Amino acid sequence: AQSVAQPEDQVNVAEGNPLTVKCTYSVSGNPYLFWYVQYPNRGLQFLLKYITGDNLVKGSYGFEAEFNKSQTSFHLKKPSALVSDSALYFCAVGRGNNRLAFGKGNQVVVIP
Amino acid sequence: GAGVSQSPSNKVTEKGKDVELRCDPISGHTALYWYRQSLGQGLEFLIYFQGNSAPDKSGLPSDRFSAERTGGSVSTLTIQRTQQEDSAVYLCASSLDNSLYNEQFFGPGTRLTVL
Repeated sequence: AQSVAQPEDQVNVAEGNPLTVKCTYSVSGNPYLFWYVQYPNRGLQFLLKYITGDNLVKGSYGFEAEFNKSQTSFHLKKPSALVSDSALYFCAVGRGNNRLAFGKGNQVVVIP
Repeated sequence: GAGVSQSPSNKVTEKGKDVELRCDPISGHTALYWYRQSLGQGLEFLIYFQGNSAPDKSGLPSDRFSAERTGGSVSTLTIQRTQQEDSAVYLCASSLDNSLYNEQFFGPGTRLTVL
């Protein structure tokens, strides 16, 4: 079964420091990987996706993610975190018919 | 343009009552998805519609849950005889079609509380 794992519950980072949110995947076949962000009391917003091509994917709000096949990882990164990046981040893998299987989410807290 | 909208934004109901949750997808999007976000289960897929094809109901947790999509647009998720464990945020998403190249756009969700 296609699945992703987000091993950390919460990530704390000081404003201006690099931010990394970890995700590992387990799929049969080619992986289709996504990152979404959820701000308080709002729906999920798409950040970026990996379907094929370059392993480094650039997305919205300065985020990027690196697809690593040997480590089965798709970590989300931002070089310099902002307080406004504080939110819940979900990694997801696409299954048939574009159904998404989500990880449990990571709460990111950016400390001023 | 308008995004995915859901109504109501909040719903409080008593155990045993039926509820209907509504989703208006982005115009022109043929694929529509329902997900449930709860504390214990994270985000889980419920049901999927693509055009006029039969829906994929593989994620529905019990036969108390059903959904329909009228005219290929608006969708209604119905929960019969609600239970306390149904309390969650129900999210709707739409995409241009069911290709993995097309991102899903999510609505703000309906927060359901079953007393």
